[in-house]
Amino acid sequence: NAGVMQNPRHLVRRRGQEARLRCSPMKGHSHVYWYRQLPEEGLKFMVYLQKENIIDESGMPKERFSAEFPKEGPSILRIQQVVRGDSAAYFCASSPRDRGPYGYTFGSGTRLTVV
Amino acid sequence: GNSVTQMEGPVTLSEEAFLTINCTYTATGYPSLFWYVQYPGEGLQLLLKATKADDKGSNKGFEATYRKETTSFHLEKGSVQVSDSAVYFCALIGQGGSEKLVFGKGMKLTVNP
Repeated sequence: NAGVMQNPRHLVRRRGQEARLRCSPMKGHSHVYWYRQLPEEGLKFMVYLQKENIIDESGMPKERFSAEFPKEGPSILRIQQVVRGDSAAYFCASSPRDRGPYGYTFGSGTRLTVV
Repeated sequence: GNSVTQMEGPVTLSEEAFLTINCTYTATGYPSLFWYVQYPGEGLQLLLKATKADDKGSNKGFEATYRKETTSFHLEKGSVQVSDSAVYFCALIGQGGSEKLVFGKGMKLTVNP
């Protein structure tokens, strides 16, 4: 029973490029959450998705960031026109429908470096 | 809004030393409280949790007690091992069915043999 799979583990992008981060939830988990960890900071909530629906995106920057969780396939966090300040570790967590955040399983994260 | 303040590191201890990592929180009502651990190169794992005042969470020799009167959830272990070297995060979920975890900044612990 594989855990939450995130890829790539490390991603380097030049300023102005696009970054796509993928998260495959655990089997049977229908809720996906994205968190960002800036250097020397704790994790900050970004967005909460269920299949084909964004439930809460109150932590997402207003511009350049978007997320989706399609009916088939992984959840994608997309960052357009990346800037140096986007360099961070991005963590995905998934949870079963009836557990919510009490049933979180985290992935190992994607470390984005913008050069 | 809700927030978590935890002791900042890094901290280095010798094997078998006593560990305390302080954590205090600000929240309305009765949040649920958590400690997560992140081993090198891995994702966060739930270490223990407590969902109401005076509850004690425990796992792998670690303990933390939910203290409403001091708004604290300090993590303790009587005798640390080298394998406990990791980053420890205190976190909360606000009362009322919030789906978001609010994290502290994390504290890196290194245990030397």
